[in-house]
Amino acid sequence: DTAVSQTPKYLVTQMGNDKSIKCEQNLGHDTMYWYKQDSKKFLKIMFSYNNKELIINETVPNRFSPKSPDKAHLNLHINSLELGDSAVYFCASSGGTGANEKLFFGSGTQLSVL
Amino acid sequence: KNEVEQSPQNLTAQEGEFITINCSYSVGISALHWLQQHPGGGIVSLFMLSSGKKKHGRLIATINIQEKHSSLHITASHPRDSAVYICAVAGGTSYGKLTFGQGTILTVHP
Repeated sequence: DTAVSQTPKYLVTQMGNDKSIKCEQNLGHDTMYWYKQDSKKFLKIMFSYNNKELIINETVPNRFSPKSPDKAHLNLHINSLELGDSAVYFCASSGGTGANEKLFFGSGTQLSVL
Repeated sequence: KNEVEQSPQNLTAQEGEFITINCSYSVGISALHWLQQHPGGGIVSLFMLSSGKKKHGRLIATINIQEKHSSLHITASHPRDSAVYICAVAGGTSYGKLTFGQGTILTVHP
């Protein structure tokens, strides 16, 4: 069983569309995250949720809205997609919010906006 | 200048060689992570350090808090070690807010 699973793995869409990426973890973790990896492979945190509560929102445009229906799921909705949103998006989870918590990553979703 | 700098950016080695990847950071941290990203894209956490040294198989990670520096060593390198190695640092109450280095692309030839 995959510990952190995200779908879809690839997402190709037109500018202006609305799309969602789903993430689920079966590790019993309290904290989930979304990270963005740009074309230069730089990773940057977007959101952090702890027990369904938003903890971090890192100056992400409000076209991006995370939704956490329960602590095992953190989905990412993106409205009015723009070319610059093309990137790889990684979901991750950890047991807690401390700096020394090990992160478990999903396999990534490669989003291409045409 | 990034808060987390890795060197080298690209590293090519022959199978069996000892490899060192360096990470320097300019901010106060409470933990440093080493991550591995395989060509398929998946990211795996290798180590988490707040002091000293950790070893797992052929991988060794060290950190010097005073010098704000960490190293990842791979002994007896193998082609399957080919990947991008990423250093990331976490502040005090980080809530997973890691600051990442740009990654080191390692290629090990047979």
